[in-house]
Amino acid sequence: EPEVTQTPSHQVTQMGQEVILRCVPISNHLYFYWYRQILGQKVEFLVSFYNNEISEKSEIFDDQFSVERPDGSNFTLKIRSTKLEDSAMYFCASTLTYTDTQYFGPGTRLTVL
Amino acid sequence: AQKITQTQPGMFVQEKEAVTLDCTYDTSDQSYGLFWYKQPSSGEMIFLIYQGSYDEQNATEGRYSLNFQKARKSANLVISASQLGDSAMYFCAMRAYYGGSQGNLIFGKGTKLSVKP
Repeated sequence: EPEVTQTPSHQVTQMGQEVILRCVPISNHLYFYWYRQILGQKVEFLVSFYNNEISEKSEIFDDQFSVERPDGSNFTLKIRSTKLEDSAMYFCASTLTYTDTQYFGPGTRLTVL
Repeated sequence: AQKITQTQPGMFVQEKEAVTLDCTYDTSDQSYGLFWYKQPSSGEMIFLIYQGSYDEQNATEGRYSLNFQKARKSANLVISASQLGDSAMYFCAMRAYYGGSQGNLIFGKGTKLSVKP
């Protein structure tokens, strides 16, 4: 069964450093999302991406964040200058159409020291 | 504004018994979707069940069923015959189509279910 994959599973970085979180969505899916979950809290929407551009973003997704689909398979989230409060689990999700079920990857746990 | 409320931070259930996890939602949209996801301690988000706002019948998937009461804006998850492996966080989520939304999900705070042997 096809699945969303994410790498790395755990990333530790120093405050102020740039990180890139990688996702490989399900191959025929067209809509891609990033969510984050601060430890012990609910899952929050960050950004949606369709047709090679951002279609929607939340207020969390400020200028420090960017997304890219550099090739036909990868979908990346970049945080330019990490802050302590960026420590969270980051989930990638994908769906064929935006009315379908979103399938989540296993997440990347980002720890900012 | 769209909102999901899960009022039970934690629930206990005896193995093999049924359990209901509550979820209420708020939206002014006529067309929306409701989802339940399971998050085990390992952290991944596992899709369990979906209910569309226009679906006339309650959704079922194996041991999971969704008790959808549209007028009361509730979408409770029922797990029958609980198993030890059901111990996890359970999140209710809604997808609404407002403005140009591309269907991002809005999540509740979750319910931690513990199944006792």
